[in-house]
Amino acid sequence: GAGVSQTPSNKVTEKGKYVELRCDPISGHTALYWYRQSLGQGPEFLIYFQGTGAADDSGLPNDRFFAVRPEGSVSTLKIQRTERGDSAVYLCASSVSPRDPSPEQFFGPGTRLTVL
Amino acid sequence: GEDVEQSLFLSVREGDSSVINCTYTDSSSTYLYWYKQEPGAGLQLLTYIFSNMDMKQDQRLTVLLNKKDKHLSLRIADTQTGDSAIYFCAEGGGANNLFFGTGTRLTVIP
Repeated sequence: GAGVSQTPSNKVTEKGKYVELRCDPISGHTALYWYRQSLGQGPEFLIYFQGTGAADDSGLPNDRFFAVRPEGSVSTLKIQRTERGDSAVYLCASSVSPRDPSPEQFFGPGTRLTVL
Repeated sequence: GEDVEQSLFLSVREGDSSVINCTYTDSSSTYLYWYKQEPGAGLQLLTYIFSNMDMKQDQRLTVLLNKKDKHLSLRIADTQTGDSAIYFCAEGGGANNLFFGTGTRLTVIP
């Protein structure tokens, strides 16, 4: 497909476990973003990649959260020692490049993470 | 930090116009956006407006921007039941991330 894909669509884990969430951006998009959407809230920015490097990780809530994009395409969001408060929908978005020529970010369907 | 506020709920009758309002705080925002989220679906960009514009029209959608008051609105003409969804206002500033409001749940009554 041509859109942003995310796997898994749902993930249930136990408190204290480690999880990895994967994002496949649209081919050719250099910018990739991770957001977190808690129930009843709007998406909250976590981290932004331009190519392979994290250009802005100011939204990561603490050092249990980490993300990589080693080849400038697929990205993995990693959460260590999960807590119940990490339960949310994790959204990935990509764009051709930041702001130019279009400011549109294309969103994936999200991964729903539930920490028991 | 940036703060984007929206009312939580709006109900309209099918065929009427809907107006969804948003206020934001970051005067340096370059673009302002409206996204639509339907149950079980991803965020869909409806439209965006550059900060030096005050109006943008796209078919049934009209966006009004009052930069002085930091107020953004989305008007949907001839609202249909398929328009029922959550609508998010978002601002994009000097950084490349978006700041979203809490969303307005639009319910269209047949």
